[in-house]
Amino acid sequence: DSGVTQTPKHLITATGQRVTLRCSPRSGDLSVYWYQQSLDQGLQFLIQYYNGEERAKGNILERFSAQQFPDLHSELNLSSLELGDSALYFCASSVEGAQFNEQFFGPGTRLTVL
Amino acid sequence: AQTVTQSQPEMSVQEAETVTLSCTYDTSESDYYLFWYKQPPSRQMILVIRQEAYKQQNATENRFSVNFQKAAKSFSLKISDSQLGDAAMYFCAYRSLYNNNDMRFGAGTRLTVKP
Repeated sequence: DSGVTQTPKHLITATGQRVTLRCSPRSGDLSVYWYQQSLDQGLQFLIQYYNGEERAKGNILERFSAQQFPDLHSELNLSSLELGDSALYFCASSVEGAQFNEQFFGPGTRLTVL
Repeated sequence: AQTVTQSQPEMSVQEAETVTLSCTYDTSESDYYLFWYKQPPSRQMILVIRQEAYKQQNATENRFSVNFQKAAKSFSLKISDSQLGDAAMYFCAYRSLYNNNDMRFGAGTRLTVKP
């Protein structure tokens, strides 16, 4: 158990809909990262938040957005969903300034768009 | 931008034998971190081993070791005395120290362990 929690575990929805994925980082971690893993693919970095502010952006679509709240939990919002958005979405957290800045991954949310 | 390449989509090893998974990366940076992650069928991402680019000594964690060749930009993972529980997808990852700390992953290698 990495200490990072993600809800829900599974999500099934229809095209055109909007969903929200939630992540709670490890206690004390200020940074949260979101990744997308499509079937049998590597992880694609979407976005990073640090202490409530956006720090880095990767290959995140305009239909996707994220935020980090004062209690440090983060939400990833996916709207106007398409079939190709079906994937495993991981959240990771880290302590900035620590050696390696190692990222600890949550168990992921599996999103299926029908 | 940094890219990470894993040229072996699938690998197979006999239980108790040794297997090496390949990883190469492309970067113009001089300092960075490299990681190997394991993803079993549960889909959880588990850190296996990590290496700082400025350290010449290869990292070792029990049965897992790396062969880090900085000039060749190569970072292979050796698994000794393979066990059935080692069967998983293995991802190589590069983390920049300068580019907002984002991490780049390779496409992965699926390792099968035969009893």
